[in-house]
Amino acid sequence: SQQGEEDPQALSIQEGENATMNCSYKTSINNLQWYRQNSGRGLVHLILIRSNEREKHSGRLRVTLDTSKKSSSLLITASRAADTASYFCATDGSNFGNEKLTFGTGTRLTIIP
Amino acid sequence: DAGVTQSPTHLIKTRGQQVTLRCSPKSGHDTVSWYQQALGQGPQFIFQYYEEEERQRGNFPDRFSGHQFPNYSSELNVNALLLGDSALYLCASSLRQGYNSPLHFGNGTRLTVT
Repeated sequence: SQQGEEDPQALSIQEGENATMNCSYKTSINNLQWYRQNSGRGLVHLILIRSNEREKHSGRLRVTLDTSKKSSSLLITASRAADTASYFCATDGSNFGNEKLTFGTGTRLTIIP
Repeated sequence: DAGVTQSPTHLIKTRGQQVTLRCSPKSGHDTVSWYQQALGQGPQFIFQYYEEEERQRGNFPDRFSGHQFPNYSSELNVNALLLGDSALYLCASSLRQGYNSPLHFGNGTRLTVT
């Protein structure tokens, strides 16, 4: 079963705009991660945020975590055509973030050149 | 430095048959996990292998089994295939109990059951 859901399911924006996608989850977590998947290929790890962190940055990515609302958001600034992909949040009860991951349903992001 | 490699890339099987998928982890990684991704869904955890033993298992029937070899590579076996087993099967490797060791995924094996 899926742990959570991403919102929106699909998002189309113009190149250069910012993209925001949200993730909600159901149970308590130790960390939350975001992964990107290009069509038909494997997933690529983007960023991990721990339950005691509220915000984290990595390049053009900004992730927030609200454990009281069991939700997270991923912001991609200054989007590029290469950002077109599906984005998944994943939760893990371990301290290491690499054990039994539970993925959401994903947001399909399309960047229009 | 080779990443995670999976073989074959595509496979077509008939209901009732058995299938074996293979995975070589990223160099330096000792743990292999398998995920099933149905079309339009997120990946679902099947099981994880470390030190040649199954350490954790998701909600999958016993028809799904695996193996890890001394060189850390792994196999996923599925017996008595059902149409619903059609999916992308993803292998991911990591370093056991590594704080800075997120999952590295292969490009998957696309299994079609007819």
